[in-house]
Amino acid sequence: AQKVTQAQTEISVVEKEDVTLDCVYETRDTTYYLFWYKQPPSGELVFLIRRNSFDEQNEISGRYSWNFQKSTSSFNFTITASQVVDSAVYFCALSEVDRGSTLGRLYFGRGTQLTVWP
Amino acid sequence: DADVTQTPRNRITKTGKRIMLECSQTKGHDRMYWYRQDPGLGLRLIYYSFDVKDINKGEISDGYSVSRQAQAKFSLSLESAIPNQTALYFCATSGGEAGYNEQFFGPGTRLTVL
Repeated sequence: AQKVTQAQTEISVVEKEDVTLDCVYETRDTTYYLFWYKQPPSGELVFLIRRNSFDEQNEISGRYSWNFQKSTSSFNFTITASQVVDSAVYFCALSEVDRGSTLGRLYFGRGTQLTVWP
Repeated sequence: DADVTQTPRNRITKTGKRIMLECSQTKGHDRMYWYRQDPGLGLRLIYYSFDVKDINKGEISDGYSVSRQAQAKFSLSLESAIPNQTALYFCATSGGEAGYNEQFFGPGTRLTVL
């Protein structure tokens, strides 16, 4: 079973629209971290945010915001007033901390391809 | 200069050939990882290493081997390449508290096996 599910394979929006990328995770650990990475067309992977399992505060960084809800095991990512430069594949990832054998591993979702049209 | 480098960046090879992908890092991190990315499948872990003496298989290690020559170097080998190993390969590093710190990725190696 997948530990991280990104149900949206592709999303297309027009510039200035808001868009939310969904991420649902599965773990039995009580301590874990969640991440979002961006992969622009150039191919590199860019770290966006880390959130630990004890901090459910939402976070905002410019046009980006993240909504972490343990009750629904979700860590959703919203881009406000999207721009063409936001076009990329976005990955959600989970790191489990309780289990020594998997310590430090990242489990990635399959990614969501976001296309923002001008 | 990039903190995590991968060589080569692109490689085309034939079925049955032995291929080595190299990764070097200047971040001083202990933990290093190899992933492959296939369209629609995300990134899948091939091998990971927590230090020079520690090598662990990931979820798709069959057909691959690795060598951690030094703290800064982690190589991935395909002993006998096959077409379904055509993919984008990423090396990553991580330091500090395991699980907490984000992983830093190299630029990727695009491998095509004909």
